[in-house]
Amino acid sequence: IAGITQAPTSQILAAGRRMTLRCTQDMRHNAMYWYRQDLGLGLRLIHYSNTAGTTGKGEVPDGYSVSRANTDDFPLTLASAVPSQTSVYFCASSDSMNTEAFFGQGTRLTVV
Amino acid sequence: GQNIDQPTEMTATEGAIVQINCTYQTSGFNGLFWYQQHAGEAPTFLSYNVLDGLEEKGRFSSFLSRSKGYSYLLLKELQMKDSASYLCAVMDSNYQLIWGAGTKLIIKP
Repeated sequence: IAGITQAPTSQILAAGRRMTLRCTQDMRHNAMYWYRQDLGLGLRLIHYSNTAGTTGKGEVPDGYSVSRANTDDFPLTLASAVPSQTSVYFCASSDSMNTEAFFGQGTRLTVV
Repeated sequence: GQNIDQPTEMTATEGAIVQINCTYQTSGFNGLFWYQQHAGEAPTFLSYNVLDGLEEKGRFSSFLSRSKGYSYLLLKELQMKDSASYLCAVMDSNYQLIWGAGTKLIIKP
């Protein structure tokens, strides 16, 4: 059982380029989330999805978009990357909004 | 605004007990979570409190006082593998998780 998988694990990206971070879970969880984690700050929610077909904006959604075409996949797209988007990105899922979340291994993104 | 406060760093000795505090101010409350995160790894779930009191799970216990906006994580019989960051997170009235910056726990032999 894989749980929740992110790809790539790390990436160096030129500013202005478009990038999609992939996230797949096999636990049939309804809710999925994208967070960014920066040194000295707590995890910050970028976007979330309560169930397939719906998405919502988190605390820091600008510059990012998501889609939830099915239960398993929740890709995060940076339309035109900027250096301030350099961060570690975590995808997570939970059975419902108020239960424990399971995290992917993270994607370390550097925008230069 | 919403705020979660926890100490930045703590040091403890192998075999000892350590208490990591977390205070919060949020728009509503639907539970408090503690996660453990080893360096370079993903956070993993430790505990969940929604009612006042102490929840014990092996060497780890978590306490909640909703009236005081306060929680702590208690780690007993510390082991070197407990060296990690401990993240406090509160679920607000919109079921959004608000995260603290984490407490880096250093265990010394």
